[in-house]
Amino acid sequence: SQTIHQWPATLVQPVGSPLSLECTVEGTSNPNLYWYRQAAGRGLQLLFYSVGIGQISSEVPQNLSASRPQDRQFILSSKKLLLSDSGFYLCAWRGGPWETQYFGPGTRLLVL
Amino acid sequence: ELKVEQNPLFLSMQEGKNYTIYCNYSTTSDRLYWYRQDPGKSLESLFVLLSNGAVKQEGRLMASLDTKARLSTLHITAAVHDLSATYFCAVDLYTGTASKLTFGTGTRLQVTL
Repeated sequence: SQTIHQWPATLVQPVGSPLSLECTVEGTSNPNLYWYRQAAGRGLQLLFYSVGIGQISSEVPQNLSASRPQDRQFILSSKKLLLSDSGFYLCAWRGGPWETQYFGPGTRLLVL
Repeated sequence: ELKVEQNPLFLSMQEGKNYTIYCNYSTTSDRLYWYRQDPGKSLESLFVLLSNGAVKQEGRLMASLDTKARLSTLHITAAVHDLSATYFCAVDLYTGTASKLTFGTGTRLQVTL
């Protein structure tokens, strides 16, 4: 069966510090991968998605970036965090177009 | 731009009562998902609705899809406290390279005794 992992689970970072969040999927190959952000009490905002190694599509221009160095690894990064980057970051995968999308456990980020 | 609207945003229900959550979307799509999110947790897939007229049921929850009206409903029958959570609908669109889900604003359901 497939599983999706995210780490760290929680993170407190000062403004201006760098960020690296990691997501890995097990039990499948060549998944479509997605990064979402959820602000407190709000809906989900799609940040990035990837259909293959090295391929990244950006949905929202901002100070975040994403990379996919391996087939089942998706990384979200920032060089300098802003207060507005605080939120719940969710990674998701699906086997292909039109398949059910499954979410990871999430990383809660607080920027102070 | 695809817009997905849910109503109500907040729903306080008594145990044993019935209610419906509505999800309207602005662009043609044949695929709609419902997710549940417990406080502080991730999203859990509830239903996948694949075509016009599709109906899925799981326990006290029943979801339906009308693609012509661009409307999906999530009906709750005889609510129980365990159903308290936030429910999201999400519409699937294919970009030519990948499918992307656009989520509704969510409906926070609170079931009281």
